[in-house]
Amino acid sequence: GNSVTQMEGPVTLSEEAFLTINCTYTATGYPSLFWYVQYPGEGLQLLLKATKADDKGSNKGFEATYRKETTSFHLEKGSVQVSDSAVYFCALTGLYNNNDMRFGAGTRLTVKP
Amino acid sequence: EAGVVQSPRYKIIEKKQPVAFWCNPISGHNTLYWYRQNLGQGPELLIRYENEEAVDDSQLPKDRFSAERLKGVDSTLKIQPAELGDSAVYLCASSLDLQGATGELFFGEGSRLTVL
Repeated sequence: GNSVTQMEGPVTLSEEAFLTINCTYTATGYPSLFWYVQYPGEGLQLLLKATKADDKGSNKGFEATYRKETTSFHLEKGSVQVSDSAVYFCALTGLYNNNDMRFGAGTRLTVKP
Repeated sequence: EAGVVQSPRYKIIEKKQPVAFWCNPISGHNTLYWYRQNLGQGPELLIRYENEEAVDDSQLPKDRFSAERLKGVDSTLKIQPAELGDSAVYLCASSLDLQGATGELFFGEGSRLTVL
C-alpha cells in the first residue's frame, strides 16, 4: 500500500542554518504529496503540496520538489528561524483516491537562537 | 471561518471506562476523518466519512470503537471499554471533496486521552 518514510528526528539547528528533512514515498502511480506542520499546542496544518512530478511546492520560505525518479519530496529551507520549531509530517494521497491521506512518523525540529 | 472544533481537549479516565469525542467539521466539508496519533508518531486513520457514509473503517478496532456521523455534519467517536493502549491524541479532520481536488485536510486541535 501507499506509505511515506521520513527522516527520524529530532533535528536541532541554530537560527539561520539550512534545513533538509528527507521524505521518500511508496505508491501506486503518481500520488499527491504534502508537508504538514504541527506547531506546539496547535493542530496539524498544511505547509505545502505538489500534485505531479517536478512540481515544486513552497510556503513560508519552505520548498519541496516532487521527484518521481527518486520517489522523494524532501523539505528544505535556506535559513530557519526559532519560530520554525515544530513537528513536520510528510504525507501522500493516492492517485485514485484523493481522500486516503497517509502520514509519515513526523520529524521534530528545534531551532535555537 | 471557524475551523474544525473538537471536544474535549483532554480526558483522563480509568481503564474499562467509556469515553466519547466530538467533532464539528468546517461548514460545507463533506469528508470527515478520525485519526489516532500515538506519541512520537504520525496520525493513523481510524475512519473516514463521505457525508454520512463510512467509506473506510478498516483500521477501526470495531470490538471497542464506534463512530457515527449523523446528518453528515458532526461526528462522535466512542471507545467502550477503554484500554491502557488507547492513550493517544484523537484527531478529527475535514476536507472539501471536489472532483480533481488534491485533498487538503483541515485538522482540529485534537483530544488527548489518558487511560490510567
